[in-house]
Amino acid sequence: DQQVKQNSPSLSVQEGRISILNCDYTNSMFDYFLWYKKYPAEGPTFLISISSIKDKNEDGRFTVFLNKSAKHLSLHIVPSQPGDSAVYFCAASIQGAQKLVFGQGTRLTINP
Amino acid sequence: DSGVTQTPKHLITATGQRVTLRCSPRSGDLSVYWYQQSLDQGLQFLIQYYNGEERAKGNILERFSAQQFPDLHSELNLSSLELGDSALYFCASSGQGTTNSPLHFGNGTRLTVT
Repeated sequence: DQQVKQNSPSLSVQEGRISILNCDYTNSMFDYFLWYKKYPAEGPTFLISISSIKDKNEDGRFTVFLNKSAKHLSLHIVPSQPGDSAVYFCAASIQGAQKLVFGQGTRLTINP
Repeated sequence: DSGVTQTPKHLITATGQRVTLRCSPRSGDLSVYWYQQSLDQGLQFLIQYYNGEERAKGNILERFSAQQFPDLHSELNLSSLELGDSALYFCASSGQGTTNSPLHFGNGTRLTVT
């Protein structure tokens, strides 16, 4: 039972443009969402999070949007840079719980 | 550098064998999580320890076990290994016992079972 889904295994974007990564979830109990970024041969690193009491959270070039009614969140990267090329994982949890549920990841490639 | 250290980086072993993966959390973090990433899959939660005590269990097989020692390092033991156990195993740590504070991941141990 895949509770968190990233339906696009890969995404290619031109440098300077906007990258939009999508994530859907099925468990309506989830109320805390995170994005992690992973480079090859490294562990995932935390990027940005959002609580279900908000619908948007911004940190520099990164913005996460949450649509609770659609059970959908997205990560926007503007402008995209070559260093953003990585695998991005969406994750969800119930606040106060002990485990994160991860999506399968989306490989983002930024082309010069 | 996340501050989380995992050893070894790579491990190749045969079916039926037993291996131990080791994790040292970030200084000051009390909580350790273990995740498994199989090919093209997301990270699957295995188990969590907080200050030496098991706190939560995920999809961990009975052939797998873990523990957290008084110095807070953790070991994941995998026994009677099968080909399907080949995967990346990540350890993560956090200061709190919940996922409200982001997890800090090590670079993983790549296990290959032949």
